[in-house]
Amino acid sequence: KAGVTQTPRYLIKTRGQQVTLSCSPISGHRSVSWYQQTPGQGLQFLFEYFSETQRNKGNFPGRFSGRQFSNSRSEMNVSTLELGDSALYLCASSLVGTGFYNEQFFGPGTRLTVL
Amino acid sequence: DQQVKQNSPSLSVQEGRISILNCDYTNSMFDYFLWYKKYPAEGPTFLISISSIKDKNEDGRFTVFLNKSAKHLSLHIVPSQPGDSAVYFCAASKETSGSRLTFGEGTQLTVNP
Repeated sequence: KAGVTQTPRYLIKTRGQQVTLSCSPISGHRSVSWYQQTPGQGLQFLFEYFSETQRNKGNFPGRFSGRQFSNSRSEMNVSTLELGDSALYLCASSLVGTGFYNEQFFGPGTRLTVL
Repeated sequence: DQQVKQNSPSLSVQEGRISILNCDYTNSMFDYFLWYKKYPAEGPTFLISISSIKDKNEDGRFTVFLNKSAKHLSLHIVPSQPGDSAVYFCAASKETSGSRLTFGEGTQLTVNP
C-alpha cells in the first residue's frame, strides 16, 4: 500500500507570495491533518479535514487555510508569506473508522523556505 | 502553553543498554498517548501507543508506561540498537479532538555502537 505523499518536497518563496502544498493520503483514509514543524515550536497542529469538512483547527492565523477533495486529497494554502512561515509542513492521514484513536501516518513533508 | 513536554532534548546510550525517554503532560483531558520516531528528511513514524485506561503497553523492544496521577509517560527501548538513533516525539490526544495530536518538542536519541 502506498504511503502518504506530499508535493512538492521543497519550495522557496519570497515574502508576500502565496503557496499551495498538496497531500495525497493512504488509499481508504478519510482524515487528513496538517502540522507545521519549526525548530523553536516543534510540531504544531494546523487543521484536520474529514470528508471534505474541516473538523479541527489549531491556533494559526487566517492566512493558513486548507481544503479536502472528494478523493480525500488535501491542499493547504498560505497567503502573504512571512519569514516565520519557513518550516517543514507535514501531512498525516488516518482511517478514522469506528473510533477516534486511529494511528496517523505521516508523509515526508514539504520544506518551505521564505526569503 | 506547552501541554506536552519532553524535558530532555537529547539522550545518548550504549548499544544493548536500555533507553528511557520521558514525557510529561499538563492537560488531564488527554486520554490517548503515542510515541513517534523521526529520521531526518522523513515524516514521523508511529511506534507505540497507550490508552489512559492502561498503565503499560508492550510491543517487542518498545514499552510505554503511563502514570496518570503524575501525568507522566515514558518509552523504554530494550535492548537499544544503533538504528534506533532518531528524534522521538511524544504526542497526546483527547477523544473530543478527533485526530488532533499535541506533540512534545522531541528527544534526540543516539545509540552508540
